[in-house]
Amino acid sequence: QSVLTQPPSMSAAPGQTVTISCSGSSSNIGNNYVSWYQHLPGTAPKLLIYDNYKRPSGIPDRFSGSKSGTSATLGITGLQAGDEADYYCGTWDSGLGAVFGGGTKLTVL
Amino acid sequence: QVQLQESGPGLVKPSQTLSLTCTVSGGSISSGSYYWSWIRQPAGKGLEWIGRIYTSGSTNYNPSLKSRVTISVDTSKNQFSLKLSSVTAADTAVYYCARDLDASNFDYWGQGTLVTVSS
Repeated sequence: QSVLTQPPSMSAAPGQTVTISCSGSSSNIGNNYVSWYQHLPGTAPKLLIYDNYKRPSGIPDRFSGSKSGTSATLGITGLQAGDEADYYCGTWDSGLGAVFGGGTKLTVL
Repeated sequence: QVQLQESGPGLVKPSQTLSLTCTVSGGSISSGSYYWSWIRQPAGKGLEWIGRIYTSGSTNYNPSLKSRVTISVDTSKNQFSLKLSSVTAADTAVYYCARDLDASNFDYWGQGTLVTVSS
């Protein structure tokens, strides 16, 4: 059971917008920055969002992040077939160290 | 461009010690204010942080693994290493090394290496 809660799966058609939620507590999300990762099987996870909403160089602005209280959200607009992947949220927990959500498998229909 | 590469045995016997090394290229492991972490993913499951080391040598470990984990750094070789003792089948996973900007912002990752615990 992961410390951060994400929906196990989501699906949407190409061109649509999806939002993936990540719920935590005051010991983690509530008092720390959130990051988001895209993970394709057999490859290294890729940092999509850090410090709640910032994008590393090279990450398109179709990806966005936000945080409110003890929850965070990853938004993906203009869905593409290449966006089909597992998405993880992550943050620091005061008692546990770095923690991740259980992951959301995004299917592009 | 920073690159990380894990190396080590792909098969470890139960009760023995798992040992992996991460070699960093494209930059000095001791430059900048970075932590260097180990993260694993069992098949069909999510990511689990194992622990991290700062270039000064200070470490933080996942409390659930702390009694079995040692992470060390060799700045002369631009490497950091993981030792996990008394392994069981539950430790079978893909192990990743990653650079941590701060508090779990992992910006560079290795490709991962599968370690199977089996007799």
